[in-house]
Amino acid sequence: KQEVTQIPAALSVPEGENLVLNCSFTDSAIYNLQWFRQDPGKGLTSLLLIQSSQREQTSGRLNASLDKSSGRSTLYIAASQPGDSATYLCAVRRNYGQNFVFGPGTRLSVLP
Amino acid sequence: DGGITQSPKYLFRKEGQNVTLSCEQNLNHDAMYWYRQDPGQGLRLIYYSQIVNDFQKGDIAEGYSVSREKKESFPLTVTSAQKNPTAFYLCASSIGGHTEAFFGQGTRLTVV
Repeated sequence: KQEVTQIPAALSVPEGENLVLNCSFTDSAIYNLQWFRQDPGKGLTSLLLIQSSQREQTSGRLNASLDKSSGRSTLYIAASQPGDSATYLCAVRRNYGQNFVFGPGTRLSVLP
Repeated sequence: DGGITQSPKYLFRKEGQNVTLSCEQNLNHDAMYWYRQDPGQGLRLIYYSQIVNDFQKGDIAEGYSVSREKKESFPLTVTSAQKNPTAFYLCASSIGGHTEAFFGQGTRLTVV
């Protein structure tokens, strides 16, 4: 059974810092991995999608990497801003099914 | 604007009542999903549909029902058989089963 964990559970940093969020999954047979952002009481906003054949994806200040063999993905946020404060979720799609398995999220606070 | 619309934003249910949560998308996506989110837990899949008139149970389908009569609509009914329905419900869609998923803004259901 696929299990997804995210470390740390919460993170507080001063504005301007570069930071890394971690996502680990137990079954390397994934089709893709997607990173989301969730603001309190809101839905999920898609940030980056990495296919299993890719090593990384970039969008603006965000960079996501994928090491499928070791079951890990990282989300790198450069020059963090208070507006980046949110919960960040990673989710993996199984090879043999069509559905995501979500991690519990990392709650990020960027202090001005 | 293209997107996923969930309604209502807040819903209150009395004991023994069935309630229906609406999810509509104008993205022309084939696949649609319903997830439940509880504090401190990752998102869990309730039901998903890959195509009109077809849907599959997810990990926690007991006490829920769905229909997929139209491509753009995937309503979720929370029945009286669901013993702990208070949660945040999220609807998502994607072009196909392995592509990027997009989420609505959620419905918060509370039992009163």
